[in-house]
Amino acid sequence: AQTVTQSQPEMSVQEAETVTLSCTYDTSESDYYLFWYKQPPSRQMILVIRQEAYKQQNATENRFSVNFQKAAKSFSLKISDSQLGDAAMYFCAYRSKNNDMRFGAGTRLTVKP
Amino acid sequence: ETGVTQSPTHLIKTRGQQVTLRCSSQSGHNTVSWYQQALGQGPQFIFQYYREEENGRGNFPPRFSGLQFPNYSSELNVNALELDDSALYLCASSLTIGGRSNYGYTFGSGTRLTVV
Repeated sequence: AQTVTQSQPEMSVQEAETVTLSCTYDTSESDYYLFWYKQPPSRQMILVIRQEAYKQQNATENRFSVNFQKAAKSFSLKISDSQLGDAAMYFCAYRSKNNDMRFGAGTRLTVKP
Repeated sequence: ETGVTQSPTHLIKTRGQQVTLRCSSQSGHNTVSWYQQALGQGPQFIFQYYREEENGRGNFPPRFSGLQFPNYSSELNVNALELDDSALYLCASSLTIGGRSNYGYTFGSGTRLTVV
């Protein structure tokens, strides 16, 4: 079974600085999707960025980018120019071909003004 | 375009009771997945519904069951509630084409279930 590991329960960053959240996963599949979701106190999971495993190019969405290392099964999220509104729980997720999505335990990000 | 809506937002039940949670999928989506998120943890996959049939299930006992309706909305039913069932229950919808969803899920804000 696929597992997703986020080794950083908590991270903090100064406003306007850059922070990287780590994620590793375990799978025997070659075709899958990876996601980062943000969960603010409102509880709704918000999609931050996604990566298709067959694409070598790292996904980028404005201030958010990933470092996808398929061989190492690593999928880290970099947040540049951090803003106060970025403070939330961040979850890394893996979705297999059968559409079953697995989440990591999450990283709580604090942004200091 | 409407998002995913879940009802109720909060619920308190007594151990041994039964509960039904409801989810309306985003317009244009045909697949619904349910997740249980215990406090301080990541969401755990319960099951997924596509074409009104269960299309995958996580490690949850049979007392967790569901339905999907022709309009793609869905229900999660939990029988014989236990204290450990206290959690946030998240519903997510997606569009499945040719057996695959190529995009991320759209999540609702969840139902907070407390079992006492």
